[in-house]
Amino acid sequence: RKEVEQDPGPFNVPEGATVAFNCTYSNSASQSFFWYRQDCRKEPKLLMSVYSSGNEDGRFTAQLNRASQYISLLIRDSKLSDSATYLCVVRPFSGGYNKLIFGAGTRLAVHP
Amino acid sequence: DGGITQSPKYLFRKEGQNVTLSCEQNLNHDAMYWYRQDPGQGLRLIYYSQIVNDFQKGDIAEGYSVSREKKESFPLTVTSAQKNPTAFYLCASSIDQAGSTSNYGYTFGSGTRLTVV
Repeated sequence: RKEVEQDPGPFNVPEGATVAFNCTYSNSASQSFFWYRQDCRKEPKLLMSVYSSGNEDGRFTAQLNRASQYISLLIRDSKLSDSATYLCVVRPFSGGYNKLIFGAGTRLAVHP
Repeated sequence: DGGITQSPKYLFRKEGQNVTLSCEQNLNHDAMYWYRQDPGQGLRLIYYSQIVNDFQKGDIAEGYSVSREKKESFPLTVTSAQKNPTAFYLCASSIDQAGSTSNYGYTFGSGTRLTVV
């Protein structure tokens, strides 16, 4: 079983739609969670951290369910510019080095 | 502006050749990392370094070597022992505090695309 699993997609949605991605992680001791965005042939960029109580940044909402070991990302009012691959990222433990485990990503394509 | 710079952007390697990918950061980050990304796949950790003059193997270190002589620099050498080196290579850096529960993400460079010719 992979440490971080995501549906690869693609999710094809029209502009204005609401879309949600889920991600599951295997290590119950995981401490920190992130969503990164990666455009085609570019480097990943931090979209948002995910906090235990859930958090929102504009049209983006991230939630964490520790009991079920999954993280979600909700995008409201999708824009063409949201088209990218979204990487779920987990920090598996609090000690040692700042190791992050990256999921393979979920591809989103927003069309007019 | 602070950031992390990788060079070159594109690199072509002949069979049997060693090549070195550059990574420089001016973010004053202690930790640096090298990842490899293949099409449609996630990032796989090659090497990481938490401090100058120290580095550790990641999950796929075979055929690669690194050095960390300066805090700002973490070059990666792809040796001839790496049998399938064609990939997108990403360098990253972060604050690194052992034992911390802080929510530190990574900052990535723009990557080097290596192709074997």
